[in-house]
Amino acid sequence: TQLLEQSPQFLSIQEGENLTVYCNSSSVFSSLQWYRQEPGEGPVLLVTVVTGGEVKKLKRLTFQFGDARKDSSLHITAAQPGDTGLYLCAASTGTASKLTFGTGTRLQVTL
Amino acid sequence: NAGVTQTPKFQVLKTGQSMTLQCAQDMNHEYMSWYRQDPGMGLRLIHYSVGAGITDQGEVPNGYNVSRSTTEDFPLRLLSAAPSQTSVYFCASSLSGQRSGNTIYFGEGSWLTVV
Repeated sequence: TQLLEQSPQFLSIQEGENLTVYCNSSSVFSSLQWYRQEPGEGPVLLVTVVTGGEVKKLKRLTFQFGDARKDSSLHITAAQPGDTGLYLCAASTGTASKLTFGTGTRLQVTL
Repeated sequence: NAGVTQTPKFQVLKTGQSMTLQCAQDMNHEYMSWYRQDPGMGLRLIHYSVGAGITDQGEVPNGYNVSRSTTEDFPLRLLSAAPSQTSVYFCASSLSGQRSGNTIYFGEGSWLTVV
């Protein structure tokens, strides 16, 4: 079973601060996805990265896939209360049939 | 636009009872799956299906059965509920299970408590 470790587990910051969430594994992945989940709802896909070293930006969110495709990071610039939620990374070694999720990072952004 | 619809939203069961969690999608997706989410453990794959008539086990299949008689529906059956099955269950679907990187759409979840 692949193991995806996310850090930190919890993060409480003030509006305007920057933060980075990490997703690490000893396995090589064909693709990695980041999701955000709000209370009482299912996860919602933010981004998919497939190429080693790939960087994608989604407004204030920057996602990076490690060169060796074993790790990824999510950087949020100038966090806002609307960024509050559970951030999950998920990866597969080939097909979407065997998607493995990380344990999640719970982010709280306060005014 | 319904997307992935799960019912019921909340359910309380007694140990030993059986029940079925319903999941339906209206996007003509081939791939459907069931996950359970427990505190500190992320989402774990229970069963999945890559098309009508085809199902396979995920990481934690014990105590659960699935079937896929139509493209739209993928019910999850708890055969004899146990307290360890208390969890939040999510159904998900995507266009294809054969390509990584497909967008996976999740339902809103079903909160199950077994007492």
